[in-house]
Amino acid sequence: ELKVEQNPLFLSMQEGKNYTIYCNYSTTSDRLYWYRQDPGKSLESLFVLLSNGAVKQEGRLMASLDTKARLSTLHITAAVHDLSATYFCAVADTKLIFGTGTRLQVFP
Amino acid sequence: NAGVTQTPKFQVLKTGQSMTLQCAQDMNHEYMSWYRQDPGMGLRLIHYSVGAGITDQGEVPNGYNVSRSTTEDFPLRLLSAAPSQTSVYFCASSYFRQGRDYGYTFGSGTRLTVV
Repeated sequence: ELKVEQNPLFLSMQEGKNYTIYCNYSTTSDRLYWYRQDPGKSLESLFVLLSNGAVKQEGRLMASLDTKARLSTLHITAAVHDLSATYFCAVADTKLIFGTGTRLQVFP
Repeated sequence: NAGVTQTPKFQVLKTGQSMTLQCAQDMNHEYMSWYRQDPGMGLRLIHYSVGAGITDQGEVPNGYNVSRSTTEDFPLRLLSAAPSQTSVYFCASSYFRQGRDYGYTFGSGTRLTVV
């Protein structure tokens, strides 16, 4: 059964700092997704990672996938307040299963 | 192109009532799914479908029924609502073509309260 774990669950970080969110999953899969959710809103797609070694970047966010380690990371560079949100990873085999989410708060 | 449309956006039910949450997509996506999201938690898969006439259970299927008679629609039925089903429900769809993954599109959600 596919299980997806994220850590940390909560992250409070100062503006300008760097940090990484980790996503581990339990079965072989090469389809991993990162989403952002603002309070009271739906999910916004950030990255689609489809092969081992895939790396994608958008602004201050960079995501990578290591299918052999069953690990994806979401790296935040020089955080700004606008990045405050909850971030989810999700892994697909025949269905899409989500991690528990990381609530990110960026403060001045 | 409306994407994934969920109705209603808000609903209050009494315990024991039944209702159907609607989900429609106009992108010809084969895959559709329903999730529930409880406060401070992630999304848990209720049911999913890989095409018309095909459905399967997810992580938390009890208390919910689905059917997929057309590619466009994937309704979620609560047969006898319980307070434990108070949640925000999201519908999602996706498709794959020639090995290319186009990702998953989510609806705006239905906020359901069972009293």
